[in-house]
Amino acid sequence: AQSVTQPDIHITVSEGASLELRCNYSYGATPYLFWYVQSPGQGLQLLLKYFSGDTLVQGIKGFEAEFKRSQSSFNLRKPSVHWSDAAEYFCAVGLSNDYKLSFGAGTTVTVRA
Amino acid sequence: NAGVTQTPKFQVLKTGQSMTLQCAQDMNHEYMSWYRQDPGMGLRLIHYSVGAGITDQGEVPNGYNVSRSTTEDFPLRLLSAAPSQTSVYFCASSPLAGLGNEQFFGPGTRLTVL
Repeated sequence: AQSVTQPDIHITVSEGASLELRCNYSYGATPYLFWYVQSPGQGLQLLLKYFSGDTLVQGIKGFEAEFKRSQSSFNLRKPSVHWSDAAEYFCAVGLSNDYKLSFGAGTTVTVRA
Repeated sequence: NAGVTQTPKFQVLKTGQSMTLQCAQDMNHEYMSWYRQDPGMGLRLIHYSVGAGITDQGEVPNGYNVSRSTTEDFPLRLLSAAPSQTSVYFCASSPLAGLGNEQFFGPGTRLTVL
């Protein structure tokens, strides 16, 4: 069965420290991969996406993600976290012949001063 | 462009009441969908539509109806609300061609069923 797993429910990081959020997927083919961010009380905003090509993808707000086919992973990273990065982050996966998206359960990021 | 808009932002219902959550987009997107978001479960697809007059069920369709009479609008109907439908509901849209599965989300409707 197709699935998206975000192993970390909650991560706390100090401001200025690096951040890595994990995402693993289980699909028969290479899917389209997305990271969305949801700030408190807000809708979802797309951070970045991967369809093909370079496996290191740059997104908005200083985020990047790396697609690793051998590990079925698409981890999100940021070198230096700002207090405004406190939010919930969702990994999402879709197939090229299907416009539906499957979402992970989300990772809540808390930033401490 | 306003993007994807949803009304209302908040709603409280009593068990058994009915209501319609509104969703509209002005980007001429053919694909529209409804998700519900519950703690620890991410977003789950309720219903989706690939164009006017075409709808299909997602992962959790029970208790919800949809219709798509125009490209712009995709309302979600709760015929007889239950406490299990307390959730945050998001509408999303996507072009049917070009950007793959990237979806644009509305701000959400927070629904409480007592």
